[in-house]
Amino acid sequence: QVQLVQSGAEVKKPGSSVKVSCKASGGTFSSYAIIWVRQAPGQGLEWMGGIIPIFGTTNSAQKFQGRVTITADKSTSTAYMELSSLRSEDTAVYYCARSQVPTLYNWLDSWGQGTLVTVSS
Amino acid sequence: AIQLTQSPSSLSASVGDRVTITCRASQGISSALAWYQQKPGKAPKVLIYDASSLESGVPSRFSGSGSGTDFTLTISSLQPEDFATYYCQQFNSYPHETFGPGTKVDIK
Repeated sequence: QVQLVQSGAEVKKPGSSVKVSCKASGGTFSSYAIIWVRQAPGQGLEWMGGIIPIFGTTNSAQKFQGRVTITADKSTSTAYMELSSLRSEDTAVYYCARSQVPTLYNWLDSWGQGTLVTVSS
Repeated sequence: AIQLTQSPSSLSASVGDRVTITCRASQGISSALAWYQQKPGKAPKVLIYDASSLESGVPSRFSGSGSGTDFTLTISSLQPEDFATYYCQQFNSYPHETFGPGTKVDIK
């Protein structure tokens, strides 16, 4: 079973950027997809986008296009999600999760522990 | 974009009860639906994928059914550890407003 370990909590100022990492162990990193999902306090789950490392393919939800950058380093089995122009509404727990097959459009069988990003002046 | 609705938004039930949660898609998604359980402060955990396939290690009291636009998650006999929030997710179509709004199951 793949284990996903995310970087620690962040506090950011409005207008700045945050970069969250997600390191995978177990499985073959390049043979699956990593998806990013966020959850605002007391709210539901929101699909942000993802990457297929073997192809380098990325896609993101229209809501985040232009603000989110998703990358992966195959040498360290680590995926990254960078969100720019932060505003208070971006305060949320950010999760990475795995699709077992190399597609961004699939169910998610393994999840990271979550990274709390707080945006506050 | 496909919209997912869940009903009810919350429910109260007792240990041993049979619980049914419904997820409806605004257009057909074949069987491209998964169900997740989330407990407070924890990441979601997949229970059911492809509408009716039970994920390995998930108790058999959980089951899923449906295809097209209407789907159901059933817990045959609610256990204390099942009190949580349940989300459906569609993965048939882009753009991906993929998750339903959730159903919170709490103790009666």
